[in-house]
Formats: sequence, structure tokens, C-alpha cells
Amino acid sequence: QLQLQESGPGLVKPSETLSLTCTVSGGSISSSSHYWGWIRQPPGKGLEWIGSTYYSGTTYYNASLKSRVTISADTSKNKFSLKLSSVTAADTAVYYCARAYDSKGNFFDTWGQGTLVTVSS
Amino acid sequence: SYELTQPPSVSVSPGQTASVTCSGDKLGDKYASWYQQKPGQSPVLVIYEDTKRPSGIPERFSGSNSGNTATLTISGTQAMDEADYYCQAWDSSTALWVFGAGTKVTVL
Repeated sequence: QLQLQESGPGLVKPSETLSLTCTVSGGSISSSSHYWGWIRQPPGKGLEWIGSTYYSGTTYYNASLKSRVTISADTSKNKFSLKLSSVTAADTAVYYCARAYDSKGNFFDTWGQGTLVTVSS
Repeated sequence: SYELTQPPSVSVSPGQTASVTCSGDKLGDKYASWYQQKPGQSPVLVIYEDTKRPSGIPERFSGSNSGNTATLTISGTQAMDEADYYCQAWDSSTALWVFGAGTKVTVL
């Protein structure tokens, strides 16, 4: 059974870089059938797609965050990571990692439990 | 950029049918997915590729997509279906994922 687990600091200072890792178990991030993505949800608000990476290493980013986001994968450790630079209070959110099927619609079929990241001094 | 529009809220009586819409330019030419999210929990996929239900999702959940609107229908709504529902599409022209703002379904 596929499981995803987010990890990283729960508190980040303004202007610093938010770094999170998603550890995947029960499946390989090298699979040619899947994308691996990050989605966030500010408190009381909706879901916002941040970006995704494909097994080939190709990355896709939300245009509104593209200048600050880097997603990378470590296939040897079966993990993928998110870095978001120059954070502000507006980046406070629950951050989810998720797997998407490379198919019609590219839907996210498996999600991590999410991790709350607060941006505050 | 591509946008998906959902109503903020939908109310339904127990046992009745709830319909949640998701609108976007030529959405019918893309594939819509739907996610259910209950308070404090991660989203759960309930519909993918417009009409398909993942294993374990009750048959009362169904979907359709045509023209500019995708619809999630919950037949015989139960109290446990009270949640936020998000539509999602993949914009092939930009290779980017898009979520709607979400609809809170309240079972009165």
C-alpha cells in the first residue's frame, strides 16, 4: 500500500527558505506512470497546487510561485523535496505531498497526511 | 491561466441529491477529478476521469462533464458526506494542475 509522509520544520522565519521532504513507501518514485506533487492549503482556505515532478526529472510549477519554487527527487532514497524561498506569512499553510497518475486528467490518487508550516519571526 | 469556478456552498437534506458544479472554459474537453476533504483530514479522491470512482468510494458518488461544466452528484446524501469538495483539472496547454476553490456541502 502506497504511503507518503511529509517532514520538515514546522516554523520558518520570513524571508527564509521553506524545505520539506516527502518520503514514499510502498511504491517507487521512479515509476513511469506517475507524477509526484506538492499542494498546499492555507488555514481555512482551499487547495493550491504548487508543483509536480515526473520520473524523468521534468518539473512543472504553478506560475504564481515559479520564481520561488524548486522540486527535486532523490530516487536512491525514494523521496522528493520542496523548496520555497523568500517566504512570507502568506506561505503559512498545510503542505501536502501527493502522487498523480500520468493519465487523462492526471488526478492525485494518494495524499500524505500533510504538515503545517507557519511563517513567523 | 486556467481557472475553475465552484459555488462556495451547497445544502442538502439527508437522503436527497446534492449537485456540485465546477465551471471552466471548455472543461468538457479536459478531464475532471473530484476530492472530498473533511475537517483535519487530507483530501480523498472520489471521482477521476470525469465519471470513474476509485475502489472503496460508494456508488452514490457520480460525476459528469460536458461543455464548460463538470458536476459531482451525491445521491441519497448521508450525514457522513458533509465535507468540502474540490474539483481539479489538468490544463494540457500549459501542463499545469488546477483546483477549484472548493464547495462546502452541508447536510441539514
